[in-house]
Amino acid sequence: GAGVSQSPSNKVTEKGKDVELRCDPISGHTALYWYRQSLGQGLEFLIYFQGNSAPDKSGLPSDRFSAERTGGSVSTLTIQRTQQEDSAVYLCASSLVGAEYEQYFGPGTRLTVT
Amino acid sequence: GENVEQHPSTLSVQEGDSAVIKCTYSDSASNYFPWYKQELGKRPQLIIDIRSNVGEKKDQRIAVTLNKTAKHFSLHITETQPEDSAVYFCAASIEAAGNKLTFGGGTRVLVKP
Repeated sequence: GAGVSQSPSNKVTEKGKDVELRCDPISGHTALYWYRQSLGQGLEFLIYFQGNSAPDKSGLPSDRFSAERTGGSVSTLTIQRTQQEDSAVYLCASSLVGAEYEQYFGPGTRLTVT
Repeated sequence: GENVEQHPSTLSVQEGDSAVIKCTYSDSASNYFPWYKQELGKRPQLIIDIRSNVGEKKDQRIAVTLNKTAKHFSLHITETQPEDSAVYFCAASIEAAGNKLTFGGGTRVLVKP
């Protein structure tokens, strides 16, 4: 079946502009995660959604970052007033909850802030 | 919060030799430890994982060991092949707390033919 998809694959934006990144999880996966991977670095947790529960926003680096998940499926990550340090690959992952814990990653969105 | 350290950052081995990557974690409540392989320009893919109720797990040429007392876990790749060349990430999480993964910094493995 279809895996996790993300759009756009690449985004170049000017400093100070807002951007929206989209994630389509695997159908039926109730858990959805956003991570950030800076150049040559490991992955950093940003936010987690599980069903209808309040999201875990503990990894968001500043109040310029927000995310929502509509209808328990598609999620958008919004970065307001982008800064150069926001440049990174933003990865989305989804998983089942319960016996299956594997997180399946999407291809990522490469964000470049000029 | 959890902190995961990973060593070495780069590892070069001859084809056929073994590769070992080590990780330590700080939160004793962590109980799930996956390993991801990321090829250049690709998404991370799970290659093996271990939970805290076992000490070792094998899958063909790959094995992972866990020492809960010392809070460290290791990935072992035997009979390495050129296609094993990639960046490998360890991670730790608490399954009951949403399974948010804290990743190590990654190990770039190069298998020389």
